[in-house]
Amino acid sequence: EPEVTQTPSHQVTQMGQEVILRCVPISNHLYFYWYRQILGQKVEFLVSFYNNEISEKSEIFDDQFSVERPDGSNFTLKIRSTKLEDSAMYFCASMWGDSSSYNEQFFGPGTRLTVL
Amino acid sequence: QKEVEQDPGPLSVPEGAIVSLNCTYSNSAFQYFMWYRQYSRKGPELLMYTYSSGNKEDGRFTAQVDKSSKYISLFIRDSQPSDSATYLCAMSVTNGNQFYFGTGTSLTVIP
Repeated sequence: EPEVTQTPSHQVTQMGQEVILRCVPISNHLYFYWYRQILGQKVEFLVSFYNNEISEKSEIFDDQFSVERPDGSNFTLKIRSTKLEDSAMYFCASMWGDSSSYNEQFFGPGTRLTVL
Repeated sequence: QKEVEQDPGPLSVPEGAIVSLNCTYSNSAFQYFMWYRQYSRKGPELLMYTYSSGNKEDGRFTAQVDKSSKYISLFIRDSQPSDSATYLCAMSVTNGNQFYFGTGTSLTVIP
């Protein structure tokens, strides 16, 4: 069964460093998402991506964040200068995008980011 | 931002019990209502979705949406130890839009 994969499973970084979180969405999906979940808090939407551009983003997704689909398979989230409060589980999701029926967002297992 | 509120847990029930999980919301524009299950160290996986108001049944699971009260529920009949997980409600305005999640309820079904 196809699934969304994410690497690494756990990333530890120093405050101020850049990190790139990687996701491989399900191969024929057209819509891609990043969410995050700070420990003990809700899963929060960060950004959605379709047709090689951002289609929607939340207030959390400021200039420190960027997304890219560099090679047609990977979908990456870059945080330019990490802060302590960026420590969270980051989930990637993908969706097929057939407008004639309900489309499920499939979630990856997450990358736990720890900023020291 | 308190768009979606979910009953806090944790919830612990004996095997075979009926479990009721609930969420309330404030945004009347929500049209899609989802229940996700999340096991430890895994991403959320979709259990059920409902479009607009009404009930939907899938095996031991029933989802209910009452848009007039802005209240959704998930019922689990004949609960099993394998149902032990965190249950997240999620909502969106349109299919494919961002999801708004509840905090999740941790459920333990005791054999």
